[in-house]
Amino acid sequence: AQSVAQPEDQVNVAEGNPLTVKCTYSVSGNPYLFWYVQYPNRGLQFLLKYITGDNLVKGSYGFEAEFNKSQTSFHLKKPSALVSDSALYFCAVRDSGNTPLVFGKGTRLSVIA
Amino acid sequence: EAQVTQNPRYLITVTGKKLTVTCSQNMNHEYMSWYRQDPGLGLRQIYYSMNVEVTDKGDVPEGYKVSRKEKRNFPLILESPSPNQTSLYFCARGTSGANEQFFGPGTRLTVL
Repeated sequence: AQSVAQPEDQVNVAEGNPLTVKCTYSVSGNPYLFWYVQYPNRGLQFLLKYITGDNLVKGSYGFEAEFNKSQTSFHLKKPSALVSDSALYFCAVRDSGNTPLVFGKGTRLSVIA
Repeated sequence: EAQVTQNPRYLITVTGKKLTVTCSQNMNHEYMSWYRQDPGLGLRQIYYSMNVEVTDKGDVPEGYKVSRKEKRNFPLILESPSPNQTSLYFCARGTSGANEQFFGPGTRLTVL
């Protein structure tokens, strides 16, 4: 069965600094990987995905993520953090077959001015 | 505007009283899904549907039922709610299970 781990419950970064939110996964086949963001009292919003192709994926709001097959990772990155990026971030994975989508427990990002 | 609509948004009920949370989408998407969000546990998938009359269990289906009689609607049914089903519930839609999903605003359920 597939699984995903977000090793950090909380990430703090100063505004203007680069940010990284970590995600590692485990699947039996080829992974379908996703990042979502949840702002307070809101539903989840899709940021980006990796299905196949280029390992560096660019998404919404200046975010990007790098698929690393050997390390089974899909870390979310942004070159310069904004205070408005403060939110709860979820990594999710599913196998290439007809399997459920599995979410990580989430990482709370706090960007400090 | 593309939407996923959930009703009700907030519900307080008592143990054993059957309830239904409705979910409706206006994009004619084939894939729909239900999740629950609990602190420290992230989102866990309850049920999903690849198309009309096709539903499958997610990771935590116990105590829940769903139906997909038409493409736009995917109601979540709790036949006999219990306090451990107190949670924040999200419905989502997508073009397929392989692609990104678009989430509704959530339903906060409290079972006393």
